[in-house]
Amino acid sequence: ETGVTQTPRHLVMGMTNKKSLKCEQHLGHNAMYWYKQSAKKPLELMFVYNFKEQTENNSVPSRFSPECPNSSHLFLHLHTLQPEDSALYLCASSQERASGLDEQFFGPGTRLTVL
Amino acid sequence: AQSVTQLGSHVSVSEGALVLLRCNYSSSVPPYLFWYVQYPNQGLQLLLKYTSAATLVKGINGFEAEFKKSETSFHLTKPSAHMSDAAEYFCAVSRTGNQFYFGTGTSLTVIP
Repeated sequence: ETGVTQTPRHLVMGMTNKKSLKCEQHLGHNAMYWYKQSAKKPLELMFVYNFKEQTENNSVPSRFSPECPNSSHLFLHLHTLQPEDSALYLCASSQERASGLDEQFFGPGTRLTVL
Repeated sequence: AQSVTQLGSHVSVSEGALVLLRCNYSSSVPPYLFWYVQYPNQGLQLLLKYTSAATLVKGINGFEAEFKKSETSFHLTKPSAHMSDAAEYFCAVSRTGNQFYFGTGTSLTVIP
């Protein structure tokens, strides 16, 4: 595997389900990100991890719970979601968080549908 | 505060015609600027970036962008559109120590 991978690619869940999204980067980066991409809206940064420590949580509802066990893996745990949470969830990584000029490498995303 | 505005959510061009996708930014200090492309069912891929070196930046697939401080713009161009250029294009701005701010995206359609 190369780059940033995400599983599953598609997920349909009910509002009472618990599921997790997984992201893995094979680039040796130290920063990882979760974004939400909804139609007609800018990408919304949800969480940032730098050297496994969460450095940003952009007012994300608690029904989204991130986990970063090491610099290569990032999870997004989902619980009691709402239909408006349906979106494409993108994971990204970069060398480090502090340098704004480091490009971010994106995974293909997980298309989430909440029924 | 920083933000980025992409004028035109949809742009259509004929194959072989000039591609021009507009991006304007607001930033209190010189920013770093990026263009990303997203093909259907894929994540974002970096096309090019401006990091205060040459104002004309060349990227992949024949794209380039020019940083114009006086106009606070970073428009993306390609002299001749190809069918494979059909995708969603995102402009983004950042600064050292700060997060990326993405635009709302421009969907490019290439007409045969």
